[in-house]
Amino acid sequence: SAVISQKPSRDICQRGTSLTIQCQVDSQVTMMFWYRQQPGQSLTLIATANQGSEATYESGFVIDKFPISRPNLTFSTLTVSNMSPEDSSIYLCSVDPGRNTEAFFGQGTRLTVV
Amino acid sequence: AQSVTQLDSQVPVFEEAPVELRCNYSSSVSVYLFWYVQYPNQGLQLLLKYLSGSTLVKGINGFEAEFNKSQTSFHLRKPSVHISDTAEYFCAVSDSFNKFYFGSGTKLNVKP
Repeated sequence: SAVISQKPSRDICQRGTSLTIQCQVDSQVTMMFWYRQQPGQSLTLIATANQGSEATYESGFVIDKFPISRPNLTFSTLTVSNMSPEDSSIYLCSVDPGRNTEAFFGQGTRLTVV
Repeated sequence: AQSVTQLDSQVPVFEEAPVELRCNYSSSVSVYLFWYVQYPNQGLQLLLKYLSGSTLVKGINGFEAEFNKSQTSFHLRKPSVHISDTAEYFCAVSDSFNKFYFGSGTKLNVKP
């Protein structure tokens, strides 16, 4: 298994500002993922955070809006840039310690943009 | 590309009654299937998964699911639900790169 710590757990931010979310894993993992869960909706994959290279973004998500860092095998950050109320969501970090076993999720960061 | 459809957004059921939460998927490649549960204000917890082998998969809390390749379904069942099963349930598929694609979720509301 993997224990994932996400910070902050929640935040209220002003529109036009940026927030960086941290994800720390208790073991080295090859792949880390960032998801968004908008109010009343399911989880949508934002991007795959690759260690040593740029993140791979899913359709509809761009690096300028959601820059991602992955400095080592246990840590990643997601920044939500130039926020608007539409960015109010839960953002979750996920890891898969082994090929096609299961995904482990952090508790999420509940972001409200006012 | 993969996609997941959960046909029921909400399922009300009385305590001790059986329940089935439906999940259908589409994929051009072989996939692995999962059910996750999300209790209010909590993260996701794995209920069960199908990777290969027996199509009937048993998970935690008395849940089970059956993989039906011909119908591209992975329905979740429990013969007798409890109040504590009230939560949102997500069906998900994983492709070979370990990314997960989730359905829209089903809110199970167990009434006394």
